[in-house]
Amino acid sequence: KAGVTQTPRYLIKTRGQQVTLSCSPISGHRSVSWYQQTPGQGLQFLFEYFSETQRNKGNFPGRFSGRQFSNSRSEMNVSTLELGDSALYLCASSLVAGDSTDTQYFGPGTRLTVL
Amino acid sequence: AQSVTQLDSHVSVSEGTPVLLRCNYSSSYSPSLFWYVQHPNKGLQLLLKYTSAATLVKGINGFEAEFKKSETSFHLTKPSAHMSDAAEYFCVVSRSASKIIFGSGTRLSIRP
Repeated sequence: KAGVTQTPRYLIKTRGQQVTLSCSPISGHRSVSWYQQTPGQGLQFLFEYFSETQRNKGNFPGRFSGRQFSNSRSEMNVSTLELGDSALYLCASSLVAGDSTDTQYFGPGTRLTVL
Repeated sequence: AQSVTQLDSHVSVSEGTPVLLRCNYSSSYSPSLFWYVQHPNKGLQLLLKYTSAATLVKGINGFEAEFKKSETSFHLTKPSAHMSDAAEYFCVVSRSASKIIFGSGTRLSIRP
């Protein structure tokens, strides 16, 4: 079974631009979560989607948004990019949402660099 | 509230010697605990998870972890380190995807 895929793998943008990242979950998984990883803050939860609905959102500004499609694929968008948005963005999928025992499977990430 | 503390930011061992990566957690309920590994420029790969079944959990690549409620610990061990084990390791406590707390990570280096 194919794993979680994320595109693109690397992205370079300039301040003020916007960016869209894509995530395709493991087949059959309906929950997709997004995380930001930076050297200073570590791994931080962005948001979680299940059945096209955002279930939970982390403590990030409104410039960060996302959506999920009927096939469970998800996109996240960051508008008005800032230097501090440079990070590795990880997507994870799981079978269900809200279950602490359910394993999240991570994609390889998208490395975003903001110049 | 829940939290997780990885006690060592960096661990260095010789190839063929045992590995011990320490993790303490705090949780007001029975937690699910995970260990993930991240190789450079890669995503996180699940090593093992504890979900209130057996306290000794065996994972992939020879790793195992023991859940000790009395010590609130979930340390990761491996009897014999291999060069390919060099990576960053994350201890995770989870209540759900939105209530998942990652440790700060432990970088494991392997000396030839």
